[in-house]
Amino acid sequence: GAVVSQHPSWVICKSGTSVKIECRSLDFQATTMFWYRQFPKQSLMLMATSNEGSKATYEQGVEKDKFLINHASLTLSTLTVTSAHPEDSSFYICSALGLDADEQYFGPGTRLTVT
Amino acid sequence: ILNVEQSPQSLHVQEGDSTNFTCSFPSSNFYALHWYRWETAKSPEALFVMTLNGDEKKKGRISATLNTKEGYSYLYIKGSQPEDSATYLCASDLGSGGSNYKLTFGKGTLLTVNP
Repeated sequence: GAVVSQHPSWVICKSGTSVKIECRSLDFQATTMFWYRQFPKQSLMLMATSNEGSKATYEQGVEKDKFLINHASLTLSTLTVTSAHPEDSSFYICSALGLDADEQYFGPGTRLTVT
Repeated sequence: ILNVEQSPQSLHVQEGDSTNFTCSFPSSNFYALHWYRWETAKSPEALFVMTLNGDEKKKGRISATLNTKEGYSYLYIKGSQPEDSATYLCASDLGSGGSNYKLTFGKGTLLTVNP
């Protein structure tokens, strides 16, 4: 149980285009999901907290107009990187808060490369 | 300590060796410490969540201890096997009186077990 999927697993896009990444909880409902990114040789850094049916909460330094988060259902949150630039190239990974709210279950991540 | 620090960065051991690594975290406003096991191309897998000073948890050959007063946790692997090869992440939840679900991760310890 507690499986989280992400799609796509990797994506290459051109500078200036937008990319959408999906995060799904497959066997449980998640009112809260989280988006992280990891730059090479760095730790996972929390970008935003996504709550079903409400606006996401962004961490300091993360542009909410650039990283659009939608959590329209209890099993799906999406992250859209708008007008992507090469510096947005990173590994993006989501997690979903478990039913007992004691543990976050992670997806396998999405490698984004902006050319 | 302001950040979550893990040491060593990487570790090579022989099959059958026992090993351990360290996670240091800020001791103020502490709520919980999480350990994850992350194999390449897979989702990080939750190993332990610990909240109380002196907590010790065990899952098979893997165990962990927690010292909240001095801000460190140890992860031990007894009789390492090649399938233990992975990056081990720790993350602190600095929610003080209750979880705020915001995890601050270390950079991880990459363990390679040679057959």
